[in-house]
Amino acid sequence: DVKVTQSSRYLVKRTGEKVFLECVQDMDHENMFWYRQDPGLGLRLIYFSYDVKMKEKGDIPEGYSVSREKKERFSLILESASTNQTSMYLCASSSGTSGRGQDTQYFGPGTRLTVL
Amino acid sequence: AQKVTQAQTEISVVEKEDVTLDCVYETRDTTYYLFWYKQPPSGELVFLIRRNSFDEQNEISGRYSWNFQKSTSSFNFTITASQVVDSAVYFCALSGPATDSWGKLQFGAGTQVVVTP
Repeated sequence: DVKVTQSSRYLVKRTGEKVFLECVQDMDHENMFWYRQDPGLGLRLIYFSYDVKMKEKGDIPEGYSVSREKKERFSLILESASTNQTSMYLCASSSGTSGRGQDTQYFGPGTRLTVL
Repeated sequence: AQKVTQAQTEISVVEKEDVTLDCVYETRDTTYYLFWYKQPPSGELVFLIRRNSFDEQNEISGRYSWNFQKSTSSFNFTITASQVVDSAVYFCALSGPATDSWGKLQFGAGTQVVVTP
């Protein structure tokens, strides 16, 4: 079974803090994704990575950055957390071998971040 | 542009009733993939099904069934004889446009299903 883990289930930070959210997958997947989930808006893609050290912006990258130094690990960084970044953050991975659109994304349990 | 619409925000049913979740999508591609995910209260999205645009056969898996109709751009999901454990948020998703090589997904807003005993 695919296993995607996220470093924290719940996180509370102060405005202006630098926040790191970690995601690890154990299936040697090429692609990894970071989403945020807000009520009524579904999941919105923040960033994704298709290889080590390679990244692409998603639909809402402002205020975020990412790092992928190893294939299994994909980090989301909030350089200076703000209250409007309070949300549920979900990480996903997919194999990247089947070609465009076919690969199923597998999700981690999510991190509920509150910025005070 | 890719778009997925789940018009039902919340559906409440009593156990053993059937419930149908609507999903309407927009795409200009001829080849695309559709997905359904379930998000129970624990938070993790669980993959349920993937369907490609060339396969319009309906699918049944236990109490779950899916009705894909290309003519109406719909991919609806029915839970038969609902149970309390079916209470969750259900998301429909569409694969990215032809220019996307990375398998990005466009998600709908989700439908909350509440099953009461």
